[in-house]
Amino acid sequence: QKEVEQNSGPLSVPEGAIASLNCTYSDRGSQSFFWYRQYSGKSPELIMFIYSNGDKEDGRFTAQLNKASQYVSLLIRDSQPSDSATYLCAVHSGGGADGLTFGKGTHLIIQP
Amino acid sequence: DVKVTQSSRYLVKRTGEKVFLECVQDMDHENMFWYRQDPGLGLRLIYFSYDVKMKEKGDIPEGYSVSREKKERFSLILESASTNQTSMYLCASSLSPFGAYEQYFGPGTRLTVT
Repeated sequence: QKEVEQNSGPLSVPEGAIASLNCTYSDRGSQSFFWYRQYSGKSPELIMFIYSNGDKEDGRFTAQLNKASQYVSLLIRDSQPSDSATYLCAVHSGGGADGLTFGKGTHLIIQP
Repeated sequence: DVKVTQSSRYLVKRTGEKVFLECVQDMDHENMFWYRQDPGLGLRLIYFSYDVKMKEKGDIPEGYSVSREKKERFSLILESASTNQTSMYLCASSLSPFGAYEQYFGPGTRLTVT
């Protein structure tokens, strides 16, 4: 059974600070990792994906992957109130067209 | 820009009705997926398809069927709707079964079965 674990939160971060969201996964064969943002009542929106160990930066967002520890994280720099949302971690176990396994999400609140 | 559309944003059906949820993507993606999302349970995969007329069961296929007659369209069918199928239904697509696994979601259909 493939599992993706996230702290449900809420995680409260002051505006302008760095928000750090974490995710662990159970399947060592996992190859691809994704972060989605979901506002209340809306569908998930892809923020970033990462395939290799290390860091990947895109604007204010940095994804970090450590396959040995089966751990992936998302850092949001200079957090804004508009970043308040639920962040979903998703994992693909490599090869084939099967779906992603999603964590249940972390609810992030950016306090003005 | 990837565009995934779903036929309805909100739908109310009665127990026992046959329900069709339609999804269309305009980016020539190979793969299409149906998920449902429930509070406390997260996103769960119902069915997916990697080619026209091909379908694979996901984690929770019971009570559902799917149809993919054209590459751009993937339909989810509830043969006899039940109250435990009240949920948010999300369609997604991704480019290829051999890489580019990132999925793009439609706006969702909130289905209520009474």
